[in-house]
Amino acid sequence: DTEVTQTPKHLVMGMTNKKSLKCEQHMGHRAMYWYKQKAKKPPELMFVYSYEKLSINESVPSRFSPECPNSSLLNLHLHALQPEDSALYLCASSQAAGTSGSWEGYEQYFGPGTRLTVT
Amino acid sequence: AQKVTQAQTEISVVEKEDVTLDCVYETRDTTYYLFWYKQPPSGELVFLIRRNSFDEQNEISGRYSWNFQKSTSSFNFTITASQVVDSAVYFCALSESYSGNTPLVFGKGTRLSVIA
Repeated sequence: DTEVTQTPKHLVMGMTNKKSLKCEQHMGHRAMYWYKQKAKKPPELMFVYSYEKLSINESVPSRFSPECPNSSLLNLHLHALQPEDSALYLCASSQAAGTSGSWEGYEQYFGPGTRLTVT
Repeated sequence: AQKVTQAQTEISVVEKEDVTLDCVYETRDTTYYLFWYKQPPSGELVFLIRRNSFDEQNEISGRYSWNFQKSTSSFNFTITASQVVDSAVYFCALSESYSGNTPLVFGKGTRLSVIA
Protein backbone atom coordinates (compact mmCIF):
# COMPACT_ATOMS: atom_id res chain seq x y z
CA ASP A 1 0.00 0.00 0.00
CA THR A 2 1.67 3.21 -1.19
CA GLU A 3 -1.14 5.57 -0.27
CA VAL A 4 -1.00 8.88 1.50
CA THR A 5 -4.39 10.38 2.27
CA GLN A 6 -5.21 14.01 2.89
CA THR A 7 -8.34 15.71 4.15
CA PRO A 8 -10.10 17.83 3.20
CA LYS A 9 -9.69 17.87 -0.57
CA HIS A 10 -10.86 21.44 -0.79
CA LEU A 11 -11.00 24.15 1.85
CA VAL A 12 -12.24 27.70 1.70
CA MET A 13 -11.53 29.82 4.74
CA GLY A 14 -11.65 33.41 5.76
CA MET A 15 -8.66 35.27 7.07
CA THR A 16 -9.87 35.05 10.66
CA ASN A 17 -10.67 31.34 10.60
CA LYS A 18 -8.76 28.50 12.20
CA LYS A 19 -8.64 25.24 10.29
CA SER A 20 -6.49 22.14 10.05
CA LEU A 21 -5.23 19.99 7.23
CA LYS A 22 -4.74 16.31 7.93
CA CYS A 23 -2.44 13.74 6.38
CA GLU A 24 -2.18 10.03 7.08
CA GLN A 25 0.03 7.22 5.83
CA HIS A 26 0.22 3.55 6.72
CA MET A 27 3.43 2.62 4.95
CA GLY A 28 5.52 2.63 8.13
CA HIS A 29 7.37 5.70 6.93
CA ARG A 30 9.09 7.76 9.61
CA ALA A 31 9.63 10.96 7.64
CA MET A 32 6.71 13.20 6.70
CA TYR A 33 6.61 16.44 4.78
CA TRP A 34 4.41 19.43 4.05
CA TYR A 35 4.73 21.24 0.73
CA LYS A 36 3.01 24.28 -0.70
CA GLN A 37 2.46 24.47 -4.44
CA LYS A 38 1.30 27.51 -6.34
CA ALA A 39 -0.08 27.22 -9.86
CA LYS A 40 2.52 26.36 -12.51
CA LYS A 41 5.28 26.11 -9.92
CA PRO A 42 7.08 23.16 -8.37
CA PRO A 43 6.27 22.18 -4.79
CA GLU A 44 8.00 24.23 -2.11
CA LEU A 45 9.05 22.48 1.06
CA MET A 46 7.54 23.84 4.27
CA PHE A 47 8.27 21.34 7.03
CA VAL A 48 9.93 17.97 7.54
CA TYR A 49 9.31 15.62 10.44
CA SER A 50 11.56 12.68 11.13
CA TYR A 51 10.57 10.22 13.83
CA GLU A 52 7.85 12.63 14.93
CA LYS A 53 10.32 15.44 15.53
CA LEU A 54 10.42 18.62 13.50
CA SER A 55 13.65 18.52 11.49
CA ILE A 56 13.21 21.30 8.96
CA ASN A 57 11.15 24.47 9.04
CA GLU A 58 11.80 26.41 5.86
CA SER A 59 11.18 29.80 7.50
CA VAL A 60 7.45 29.32 7.26
CA PRO A 61 5.28 32.06 8.84
CA SER A 62 3.88 31.20 12.25
CA ARG A 63 0.33 31.27 10.93
CA PHE A 64 1.18 27.75 9.73
CA SER A 65 1.70 25.35 12.62
CA PRO A 66 2.63 21.72 11.97
CA GLU A 67 1.99 18.85 14.31
CA CYS A 68 2.97 15.19 14.18
CA PRO A 69 0.86 13.38 16.79
CA ASN A 70 2.23 9.94 15.85
CA SER A 71 4.19 8.18 13.16
CA SER A 72 1.19 7.92 10.83
CA LEU A 73 -0.35 11.34 11.15
CA LEU A 74 0.68 14.84 10.19
CA ASN A 75 -1.42 17.94 10.70
CA LEU A 76 -1.06 21.49 9.52
CA HIS A 77 -2.92 24.04 11.63
CA LEU A 78 -3.88 27.23 9.88
CA HIS A 79 -4.72 30.54 11.53
CA ALA A 80 -5.06 34.08 10.27
CA LEU A 81 -4.03 33.21 6.75
CA GLN A 82 -3.65 35.68 3.94
CA PRO A 83 -5.10 35.44 0.42
CA GLU A 84 -1.60 34.77 -0.93
CA ASP A 85 -1.56 31.55 1.09
CA SER A 86 -4.11 30.11 -1.31
CA ALA A 87 -2.40 27.11 -2.91
CA LEU A 88 -2.32 23.34 -3.15
CA TYR A 89 -0.92 21.86 0.05
CA LEU A 90 0.73 18.51 -0.41
CA CYS A 91 1.72 16.00 2.21
CA ALA A 92 4.37 13.35 1.55
CA SER A 93 6.08 10.56 3.41
CA SER A 94 9.23 8.53 2.99
CA GLN A 95 11.41 6.06 4.77
CA ALA A 96 14.00 7.40 7.16
CA ALA A 97 17.15 5.75 8.44
CA GLY A 98 16.73 4.08 11.79
CA THR A 99 19.79 5.50 13.53
CA SER A 100 20.16 8.97 12.08
CA GLY A 101 16.57 9.65 11.08
CA SER A 102 17.92 10.71 7.71
CA TRP A 103 15.57 10.73 4.76
CA GLU A 104 18.36 11.06 2.22
CA GLY A 105 17.85 9.22 -1.00
CA TYR A 106 14.43 7.78 -0.23
CA GLU A 107 11.60 8.47 -2.59
CA GLN A 108 8.68 10.44 -1.26
CA TYR A 109 5.08 9.41 -1.74
CA PHE A 110 2.62 12.23 -2.04
CA GLY A 111 -1.00 12.60 -1.11
CA PRO A 112 -3.60 14.12 -3.43
CA GLY A 113 -3.34 17.49 -1.76
CA THR A 114 -5.72 20.02 -0.26
CA ARG A 115 -6.70 22.96 -2.44
CA LEU A 116 -6.90 25.89 -0.07
CA THR A 117 -8.58 29.17 -0.88
CA VAL A 118 -8.28 32.06 1.55
CA THR A 119 -10.91 34.74 1.11
CA ALA B 1 24.33 24.31 -4.35
CA GLN B 2 21.87 21.92 -5.82
CA LYS B 3 20.08 22.86 -8.96
CA VAL B 4 17.80 21.10 -11.41
CA THR B 5 17.04 22.54 -14.82
CA GLN B 6 14.17 21.45 -17.00
CA ALA B 7 14.58 23.70 -19.98
CA GLN B 8 11.38 22.60 -21.70
CA THR B 9 8.48 24.47 -20.15
CA GLU B 10 5.78 22.97 -22.33
CA ILE B 11 5.75 20.24 -24.95
CA SER B 12 2.86 19.24 -27.16
CA VAL B 13 2.85 16.01 -29.14
CA VAL B 14 0.36 14.00 -31.10
CA GLU B 15 -0.65 10.66 -29.67
CA LYS B 16 1.71 7.79 -30.49
CA GLU B 17 4.69 10.07 -30.94
CA ASP B 18 7.78 9.55 -28.80
CA VAL B 19 8.78 12.40 -26.54
CA THR B 20 11.86 13.08 -24.41
CA LEU B 21 11.84 15.31 -21.36
CA ASP B 22 15.20 16.78 -20.48
CA CYS B 23 16.68 17.18 -17.02
CA VAL B 24 20.08 18.64 -16.21
CA TYR B 25 21.33 18.82 -12.64
CA GLU B 26 24.14 20.41 -10.68
CA THR B 27 25.65 19.09 -7.50
CA ARG B 28 29.04 19.03 -5.82
CA ASP B 29 28.26 15.81 -4.03
CA THR B 30 29.53 12.47 -5.30
CA THR B 31 26.57 10.63 -3.83
CA TYR B 32 23.19 11.87 -4.87
CA TYR B 33 19.81 10.66 -6.02
CA LEU B 34 17.65 11.65 -8.96
CA PHE B 35 13.90 11.28 -9.26
CA TRP B 36 11.11 11.80 -11.72
CA TYR B 37 7.56 12.60 -10.63
CA LYS B 38 4.37 12.95 -12.66
CA GLN B 39 1.65 15.40 -11.67
CA PRO B 40 -1.60 14.89 -13.58
CA PRO B 41 -4.33 17.55 -13.50
CA SER B 42 -5.75 15.95 -10.35
CA GLY B 43 -2.75 17.33 -8.47
CA GLU B 44 -1.13 14.32 -6.83
CA LEU B 45 2.56 13.83 -7.50
CA VAL B 46 3.22 10.27 -8.59
CA PHE B 47 6.67 8.81 -8.05
CA LEU B 48 8.09 7.29 -11.24
CA ILE B 49 11.74 6.44 -10.65
CA ARG B 50 14.74 6.89 -8.38
CA ARG B 51 18.34 6.63 -9.48
CA ASN B 52 21.47 6.88 -7.34
CA SER B 53 24.65 8.43 -8.65
CA PHE B 54 26.51 5.13 -8.75
CA ASP B 55 24.02 3.40 -11.00
CA GLU B 56 24.23 4.67 -14.56
CA GLN B 57 22.28 1.85 -16.10
CA ASN B 58 19.42 3.03 -18.21
CA GLU B 59 16.03 1.78 -17.18
CA ILE B 60 12.94 0.84 -19.09
CA SER B 61 9.49 0.38 -17.61
CA GLY B 62 6.85 -0.28 -20.22
CA ARG B 63 6.64 2.81 -22.41
CA TYR B 64 8.88 4.79 -20.07
CA SER B 65 12.65 4.87 -20.23
CA TRP B 66 15.31 6.89 -18.49
CA ASN B 67 18.78 7.81 -19.68
CA PHE B 68 21.20 8.77 -16.90
CA GLN B 69 24.53 10.24 -18.04
CA LYS B 70 26.87 11.53 -15.35
CA SER B 71 29.25 12.91 -17.97
CA THR B 72 26.65 15.45 -19.02
CA SER B 73 24.81 15.64 -15.66
CA SER B 74 21.59 14.65 -17.33
CA PHE B 75 18.74 12.35 -16.46
CA ASN B 76 16.35 12.38 -19.39
CA PHE B 77 12.97 10.71 -19.56
CA THR B 78 11.46 9.28 -22.74
CA ILE B 79 7.88 8.24 -23.28
CA THR B 80 7.42 5.95 -26.25
CA ALA B 81 4.15 5.90 -28.17
CA SER B 82 2.65 8.65 -26.04
CA GLN B 83 -0.97 8.48 -24.94
CA VAL B 84 -3.46 11.12 -23.84
CA VAL B 85 -3.18 9.80 -20.27
CA ASP B 86 0.46 10.85 -20.29
CA SER B 87 -0.63 14.49 -20.28
CA ALA B 88 0.73 15.92 -17.05
CA VAL B 89 3.46 18.04 -15.56
CA TYR B 90 6.65 16.08 -15.07
CA PHE B 91 9.16 17.08 -12.42
CA CYS B 92 12.77 16.03 -12.18
CA ALA B 93 14.23 16.24 -8.67
CA LEU B 94 17.58 15.88 -6.95
CA SER B 95 18.51 14.81 -3.44
CA GLU B 96 22.02 14.95 -2.03
CA SER B 97 23.49 12.44 0.35
CA TYR B 98 23.38 14.23 3.68
CA SER B 99 20.24 15.01 5.57
CA GLY B 100 21.04 18.61 6.33
CA ASN B 101 20.01 19.55 2.87
CA THR B 102 16.57 20.04 1.50
CA PRO B 103 15.23 16.55 0.84
CA LEU B 104 14.22 17.21 -2.74
CA VAL B 105 15.16 20.01 -5.09
CA PHE B 106 12.64 20.13 -7.91
CA GLY B 107 13.07 21.44 -11.39
CA LYS B 108 10.40 23.82 -12.63
CA GLY B 109 8.62 21.04 -14.44
CA THR B 110 7.69 20.29 -18.03
CA ARG B 111 4.05 20.35 -19.00
CA LEU B 112 3.35 17.62 -21.54
CA SER B 113 0.20 17.72 -23.62
CA VAL B 114 -0.61 14.67 -25.72
CA ILE B 115 -3.22 15.39 -28.34
CA ALA B 116 -5.48 12.68 -29.68
